[in-house]
Amino acid sequence: DGGITQSPKYLFRKEGQNVTLSCEQNLNHDAMYWYRQDPGQGLRLIYYSQIVNDFQKGDIAEGYSVSREKKESFPLTVTSAQKNPTAFYLCASNPQGNQPQHFGDGTRLSIL
Amino acid sequence: EDKVVQSPLSLVVHEGDTVTLNCSYEVTNFRSLLWYKQEKKAPTFLFMLTSSGIEKKSGRLSSILDKKELFSILNITATQTGDSAVYLCAVDYNFNKFYFGSGTKLNVKP
Repeated sequence: DGGITQSPKYLFRKEGQNVTLSCEQNLNHDAMYWYRQDPGQGLRLIYYSQIVNDFQKGDIAEGYSVSREKKESFPLTVTSAQKNPTAFYLCASNPQGNQPQHFGDGTRLSIL
Repeated sequence: EDKVVQSPLSLVVHEGDTVTLNCSYEVTNFRSLLWYKQEKKAPTFLFMLTSSGIEKKSGRLSSILDKKELFSILNITATQTGDSAVYLCAVDYNFNKFYFGSGTKLNVKP
């Protein structure tokens, strides 16, 4: 089945540590996105990529980094510069054109 | 400033009730408005609306967009406990870039 796979489902970070969240899709979608969701809030855009080897900052990019070396993969690194990383992280993709996004099941990141 | 506002923030109803969820928006380059249902993990797509006044319907759920007044409503009739979820509204404002509202948390009691 086509879809978006995020891993791990749960992740714990120690102070000063960088962690990387994985996002893989086999939908052949061009665009991929990372969102952060805090309790009682909507999704806020961290980074997005419309094409391989290109990505743009979203509204809350500080303390995060991404890469897009392959169409299928869009990993997100939460760096030690992100002082409040505890949140639910969602990866999404959609094809070009006016289409809805498809979402992965998310990664819940917590601080030890 | 572009924004998407949903109301109410939360709602408790009993099975069989009808509910109306609201989404208002202010964006510069509107392309479409989308509704999603989020239970515990991934939001799942419900509707995409691009034209005013045309109702989209799927079973007990329906939605309509008013581009003049800049809002959309999501109706759920004969609610069931399985409808309990957070309902998210999103607006495409710049070629597949989306603003999301904070969601409406619906709790349907037996």
